[in-house]
Amino acid sequence: GENVEQHPSTLSVQEGDSAVIKCTYSDSASNYFPWYKQELGKGPQLIIDIRSNVGEKKDQRIAVTLNKTAKHFSLHITETQPEDSAVYFCAVNFGNEKLTFGTGTRLTIIP
Amino acid sequence: GAVVSQHPSWVICKSGTSVKIECRSLDFQATTMFWYRQFPKQSLMLMATSNEGSKATYEQGVEKDKFLINHASLTLSTLTVTSAHPEDSSFYICSARVTSGRSYNEQFFGPGTRLTVL
Repeated sequence: GENVEQHPSTLSVQEGDSAVIKCTYSDSASNYFPWYKQELGKGPQLIIDIRSNVGEKKDQRIAVTLNKTAKHFSLHITETQPEDSAVYFCAVNFGNEKLTFGTGTRLTIIP
Repeated sequence: GAVVSQHPSWVICKSGTSVKIECRSLDFQATTMFWYRQFPKQSLMLMATSNEGSKATYEQGVEKDKFLINHASLTLSTLTVTSAHPEDSSFYICSARVTSGRSYNEQFFGPGTRLTVL
């Protein structure tokens, strides 16, 4: 089946440190892997994504790495700031038009 | 970037009434939109896929007669919660899928609609 696991469920890091969130998926046919940031009471915002023909993508303080052999991908946030505090969701496109979401990670940046 | 709006942002209604939520893609055309429901501290749960000019495709366990979806144009999809009950209270979020160009297959989300049924 189409399954996405996300860890950890909560993460607290000191401001300035790095945060890493990992997702694993079940189907090797997956080809699109976005990460979303959701602030309280708002809709998810796409922050970075990666496609299956690329191993790593970076956008300023945010990076995503993809290991297709192991079927996992990770979000890396460096030099964390208080405004990075939010819930982060990974998602996977299993070869169709729909996205399957992970269970979410509540990230808290400690000033 | 692609912008998706939702209206209303919040609504309170009495049990038994119907509520319509609109989802618009503001700067691109979307043949496919999605409707999600999110309960507190939970992930997004896909309810249905809205296809322009055709019937929506509902996920297993979602009642199509209760959650009516209409995708009448390339920029507008509506979700109507019919005969709402307190257990329908939730955060409803739509997304629109990009089907061409560099952003192919990306989904952009609306800001959500908080529905409270009394």
